[in-house]
Amino acid sequence: EVHLVESGGGLVQPGGSLKLSCAASGFTFSGSSIHWVRQASGKGLEWVGRIKDRANSYETTYAASMKGRFTISRDDSMNTAYLQMNSLETEDTAVYYCTRPTSFWIDDYWGQGTLVTVSS
Amino acid sequence: IVLTQSPTTLCLSPGERATLSCRASQSIGSYLAWYQQKGGQAPRLLIYSASNRAPGIPARFSGSGSGTDFTLTISSLEPEDFALYYCQQRTIWAPWTFGQGTKVEIK
Repeated sequence: EVHLVESGGGLVQPGGSLKLSCAASGFTFSGSSIHWVRQASGKGLEWVGRIKDRANSYETTYAASMKGRFTISRDDSMNTAYLQMNSLETEDTAVYYCTRPTSFWIDDYWGQGTLVTVSS
Repeated sequence: IVLTQSPTTLCLSPGERATLSCRASQSIGSYLAWYQQKGGQAPRLLIYSASNRAPGIPARFSGSGSGTDFTLTISSLEPEDFALYYCQQRTIWAPWTFGQGTKVEIK
């Protein structure tokens, strides 16, 4: 059974940094792309970015509003993906999900999310 | 690529037909998905590639369209279908984006 478990969320001050983790099990992690999506309370879904697998040179793509502040990485030996967030703003307060699309994107799996609160 | 969903809210009764729209700011071929989200839960994929149902999705859900205009149709609303719905473009040449959502609520 596929499991994605996010961790690392919490309270951080504006301008601070935080690194989220996404621990995966139940599928071949090294052959999968991993995406991050966030959702502020009462708001819609916002795609954050994606990291492809080794076969695709671990290519990363980011939403325009997050490019330069957020970095996605992965450690295939640990079956874990990461979202490094720098220069955090109050508008970055949200639940952050990691997701894994299946082959040909016909289905996907989501974690339970981790809450990031940016506040002084 | 900006996705604009309409209407923002759809008020219908169980058994009625729901028609949700999603318009892209540029042509995206068939690189469109639809998700359903219920309070506090992670979204569930309903439709991929504009018109294909994801595994386990009931036949009352259908998607259509290509290019810039897409539609999600729920042929006869069940009580569990009252939820939020998002479209998502999944082009291979641009960052993915979501529409702002349509809420289907009970009339």
